[in-house]
Amino acid sequence: AQTVTQSQPEMSVQEAETVTLSCTYDTSESDYYLFWYKQPPSRQMILVIRQEAYKQQNATENRFSVNFQKAAKSFSLKISDSQLGDAAMYFCAYDSGANSKLTFGKGITLSVRP
Amino acid sequence: DSGVTQTPKHLITATGQRVTLRCSPRSGDLSVYWYQQSLDQGLQFLIQYYNGEERAKGNILERFSAQQFPDLHSELNLSSLELGDSALYFCASSSRSENIQYFGAGTRLSVL
Repeated sequence: AQTVTQSQPEMSVQEAETVTLSCTYDTSESDYYLFWYKQPPSRQMILVIRQEAYKQQNATENRFSVNFQKAAKSFSLKISDSQLGDAAMYFCAYDSGANSKLTFGKGITLSVRP
Repeated sequence: DSGVTQTPKHLITATGQRVTLRCSPRSGDLSVYWYQQSLDQGLQFLIQYYNGEERAKGNILERFSAQQFPDLHSELNLSSLELGDSALYFCASSSRSENIQYFGAGTRLSVL
């Protein structure tokens, strides 16, 4: 079974600085998808970024980018120019593909200091 | 707005009761997923439907059941409720081509 590990329960960053959130996963498959979702205090689950395992290029979405290391099974999220609105819980998730279920990590709470 | 609608937003009920949570997927999405988020278990997959048929089952209790109707909306039925069933229940939908799950705002269930 696939597992997703987020070992840091909490992180803090100064506004305008850069922060990296870590995630590792375990799978025996070669093709899959990885996601970062954001859950603000409103509890809504918001997609931040998606990475397809067969693509070597790291995904980017504005201030959000990933460092995808397939051999190491590592998938970290970098947030640049952190803003107060980035404060939330962030979940790393794995999807084996073909519209299957998401397996989530335990999440990390990010706080942003003004 | 994700386009996925869940009702009700909040539900307060007593142990032993039965409730129904409703989900309307994004227009055109055939897949619907149900997840449970609790403090001790985190986010867990419960069940998936695709175009009316059950496609995958996760850690769903026998007291829980779901279905997807011809208009593609889905309902999650929780019966013989226990205190431990208190959680946030999410519905998500996806299209076959995109392979991205979009989540509703969730239903917060409190069992007293």
